[in-house]
Amino acid sequence: HSALTQPRSVSGSPGQSVTISCTGTSSDVGGYNYVSWYQQHPGKAPKVIIYDVSKRPSGVPDRFSGSKSGNTASLTISGLQAEDEADYYCCSYAVNNNVLFGGGTELTVL
Amino acid sequence: QVQLVQSGAEVKKPGASVKVSCKASGYTFTAYYMHWVRQAPGQGLEWMGCINPNSGVTNYAQKFQGRVTMTGDTSIRTAYMEVRGLRSDDTAVYYCARSVAVDGPNDYWGQGTPVTVSS
Repeated sequence: HSALTQPRSVSGSPGQSVTISCTGTSSDVGGYNYVSWYQQHPGKAPKVIIYDVSKRPSGVPDRFSGSKSGNTASLTISGLQAEDEADYYCCSYAVNNNVLFGGGTELTVL
Repeated sequence: QVQLVQSGAEVKKPGASVKVSCKASGYTFTAYYMHWVRQAPGQGLEWMGCINPNSGVTNYAQKFQGRVTMTGDTSIRTAYMEVRGLRSDDTAVYYCARSVAVDGPNDYWGQGTPVTVSS
């Protein structure tokens, strides 16, 4: 199983919106509604910000939203803030009880 | 409150084994899967596998089958992950993380255990 494909980096100015894509196959992203997104700040453990494609855990701002179309999932962050600067990873359940992560996307807030 | 507390940093020689522990508190240990995820220096997250502590059933990523063993001791609410035949490219931070199901999100993570493999 190959890792899910994410852009290496994205950037945006405070207040703007950015979208991070996550492309897989029909055996993972496209086949299940079990896509999650994690935010990781340097030296810290990852934190789940989206699960089941578009659900937000309590405490996660509604600036973060998720969606999916076919084999590609997306994370959109609106109203960018300085503290959003971090690495973002998508994750999907895959056939045969596997789990796949994306390669990660570095978000820079300009 | 939910906490996952992992064992400390390890330095091992190539070919050796390492066993990392993850002690859970604040929730019913047997009601959640425990996943193990690693992150090599400057690299992304890599799922290694998971265990159902209630049944002992494990699921391993194909890459790690035969070289990694995940176990759980329900009496002390602790999960373990052992890697055998260590290589330099096993140098990474190893995380435990719980989820309600194999396909569920990892809502709580341990602090990470750095493992360095060097001769």
